[in-house]
Amino acid sequence: GQQVMQIPQYQHVQEGEDFTTYCNSSTTLSNIQWYKQRPGGHPVFLIQLVKSGEVKKQKRLTFQFGEAKKNSSLHITATQTTDVGTYFCAGRGGGTSYGKLTFGQGTILTVHP
Amino acid sequence: DGGITQSPKYLFRKEGQNVTLSCEQNLNHDAMYWYRQDPGQGLRLIYYSQIVNDFQKGDIAEGYSVSREKKESFPLTVTSAQKNPTAFYLCASSAGTYYEQYFGPGTRLTVT
Repeated sequence: GQQVMQIPQYQHVQEGEDFTTYCNSSTTLSNIQWYKQRPGGHPVFLIQLVKSGEVKKQKRLTFQFGEAKKNSSLHITATQTTDVGTYFCAGRGGGTSYGKLTFGQGTILTVHP
Repeated sequence: DGGITQSPKYLFRKEGQNVTLSCEQNLNHDAMYWYRQDPGQGLRLIYYSQIVNDFQKGDIAEGYSVSREKKESFPLTVTSAQKNPTAFYLCASSAGTYYEQYFGPGTRLTVT
């Protein structure tokens, strides 16, 4: 079945440093979503990428979808303590899989002030 | 306020007992989902429903059951057949299959 791998599992940064998490799928995706889960909270939708090579920005966050639609990345510039949490990618398969989301394991981001 | 509610927030049960987790949404969403979250494993899909009176198994449906009698409600029963039921359970909904998912606050179930 479809697998989505996310690395790194943990990332500790000093406030102001950049952060990147990577997501790789075993199969071609129809689209990919990113979610953020604050400590003790629930996942909150950030963005969806659909097109091959797509790049989207939200303030300090930059999301990319690979040309082959099998990988994606989230880059945060100049991290702040409010960025703390777990970032999940979730890939949606195509074909007959109804398009269900498969979540990566998540990257836990810690930001030291 | 529109959103998804899950109750209770914390639930404790003895081994061998069935337990039902509540999930209600007032977003008028057609699709609803149940996920299980364990440390280091992301979210795994238990069951999903794309329309009232219809639901399908996800990746880890064994030991769980659901019903979808109303659009707003999608309760999950954790049966005694589930071997490792202690986990954080998240309910979600979406306007349709290919839309973003909105999550409830979750229920943390502990079975001893």
